[in-house]
This record gives sequence, C-alpha cells and structure tokens, in this order.
Amino acid sequence: DVKVTQSSRYLVKRTGEKVFLECVQDMDHENMFWYRQDPGLGLRLIYFSYDVKMKEKGDIPEGYSVSREKKERFSLILESASTNQTSMYLCASRIGTEAFFGQGTRLTVV
Amino acid sequence: GQQLNQSPQSMFIQEGEDVSMNCTSSSIFNTWLWYKQDPGEGPVLLIALYKAGELTSNGRLTAQFGITRKDSFLNISASIPSDVGIYFCAGQLAGNQFYFGTGTSLTVIP
Repeated sequence: DVKVTQSSRYLVKRTGEKVFLECVQDMDHENMFWYRQDPGLGLRLIYFSYDVKMKEKGDIPEGYSVSREKKERFSLILESASTNQTSMYLCASRIGTEAFFGQGTRLTVV
Repeated sequence: GQQLNQSPQSMFIQEGEDVSMNCTSSSIFNTWLWYKQDPGEGPVLLIALYKAGELTSNGRLTAQFGITRKDSFLNISASIPSDVGIYFCAGQLAGNQFYFGTGTSLTVIP
C-alpha cells in the first residue's frame, strides 16, 4: 500500500513563527503536491514538485515556500505564519492519474 | 486556476436513498476523478474516468465522464451511514495538473 505520511495531525503556532510541514511518501513517486483545504473552497494547490530540487507554484503560493531535497520528502514552509493561513493542509504523491493523500495537518495560527 | 463547480454543496439524506452529485467546468478535461474524504482523513480515490461518455462503477458508486468532457457525475445507490464524508471531483487538463471541485458534503441519517 502506498503511504503518504504527514508529520503532524494538529499544530498550533503563533503569528510570525516559521512553520515547517513535512510530508514523506514511500512509493518512489516523482510527483508531490501541497494543497490547502478550506470550507466551501475545496482543495487549492499551493506548490508542486516533479523531481528532486524542482518546484512549481500552484494557484495560491503567496506566503509559502517548499523544499524537495530528497525524492521521498516534500516540505511546506510558512516563512512567517499569519492567521489567514489557519487551514487544513494536505500533501499528495502521485503516479499517473492517481493521487495518494496524507491524513492532513490542521494548522491553527493564533 | 481552473474553476470546477461542484453541486450540491451539501446533502442530508435518509439511509437507503440514492445520491447524485455533479461537477461542471468551462474547460475540457482529459480525465475526471472522484475522491471521498472521511472525517479527519485525507481524500481517497473512488473512481477514475478517462474517455468521454465512459460509465464506470465501483460497488454502489457509478460515475460518468460527460460527453462534452466538461462535466462528470457521481451516483451512490442505497446509501449507508459509512457513505458520510466529503466527495470531491477532480479534472486533469492536457498538462500534468489536476484541479479539484469545491466538494459535496454528504450526511446520511440512519
């Protein structure tokens, strides 16, 4: 079974903190994605990566950056967390047309 | 990003009833996918559709790729309590990126 693991289920951070969300997949997939999920807005793509050290902006990259130093790990970074970044964050790994999602990280910025 | 309009936004149904939801777009998609997200978990792929007009079933679930390639439909027959969750459509354009709908929240009343 493909496994996509996000490092935390719940996080509470203060405004202005630097936040790291980690995602690891165990199936050697090249494609990895970070989404945020908000009620009524569905899943919106923040960043994606097709290969190690490669990254592309999605639809809402502002306020975020990413790192992909190893194929299995894709990190989402909030340089200076703000309250409007309170959300559910979902990491996905993909092969072909099928994406496999992690369990999500619910981030609250206070 | 691309806009996928998913409806209805939410549904409250009695156990045993059938459910229908749909997803429409102004763009032509090459692939349509349907995902289900259980409460507190990441989305899981239910059905993938690759050709216009294609009708595919997965147990009590049936999905169709619209003839115009701009829409897709998901039906659930004889709903049960474990069908509760959020259902997302996703479409793939000619490139590599997928776009998600806003989700349909399903509540099944025993």
